[in-house]
Amino acid sequence: GAGVSQSPRYKVTKRGQDVALRCDPISGHVSLYWYRQALGQGPEFLTYFNYEAQQDKSGLPNDRFSAERPEGSISTLTIQRTEQRDSAMYRCASSPGQLFSGNTIYFGEGSWLTVV
Amino acid sequence: QKEVEQDPGPLSVPEGAIVSLNCTYSNSAFQYFMWYRQYSRKGPELLMYTYSSGNKEDGRFTAQVDKSSKYISLFIRDSQPSDSATYLCAMRGNAGNMLTFGGGTRLMVKP
Repeated sequence: GAGVSQSPRYKVTKRGQDVALRCDPISGHVSLYWYRQALGQGPEFLTYFNYEAQQDKSGLPNDRFSAERPEGSISTLTIQRTEQRDSAMYRCASSPGQLFSGNTIYFGEGSWLTVV
Repeated sequence: QKEVEQDPGPLSVPEGAIVSLNCTYSNSAFQYFMWYRQYSRKGPELLMYTYSSGNKEDGRFTAQVDKSSKYISLFIRDSQPSDSATYLCAMRGNAGNMLTFGGGTRLMVKP
């Protein structure tokens, strides 16, 4: 696609429910990132994939958070047993290759999650 | 203390003014420095990308890095109302694939 596409754009869920957020990266981009951005803050790294391999998940806050990218394209970020503190904008980004090769990342418009 | 600090603003300037936006950081391993612009309800978009210390100019924008002081700046000349946005600095080390962002500075350019 033309840009990084995320769905849903807005999600309201009850505390304790599971949510799945989807990211479709720019066509041909092999690297995919998930960031979380609270209101008035900068994005915070969650996890990173190179093709289908999850290379870094050091930013995932706890084991309720998981991500997958089974075919090296679309990725899903899953939050189990949601809590109010999970409310934030979840941003996906992609890049043609890995950042240390000089590539830059392109962000999607995000999925705004509200846990009530 | 956060690794990257940025004054949240808001910074309000008249059209045509020179704007100076700044970040300080604590991690001496950071080698690559970026500035992103984020309009309301949109994702961050890359404005400037620099490596190590020095200056880089692109049109009305100049990025400056002073690694000895752990301080980076973005200057906007002849600011326009369309420059009104949140500006985020970001940085990473040599081998990293993770960007560390500042909290962003909200800029308002008034006609």
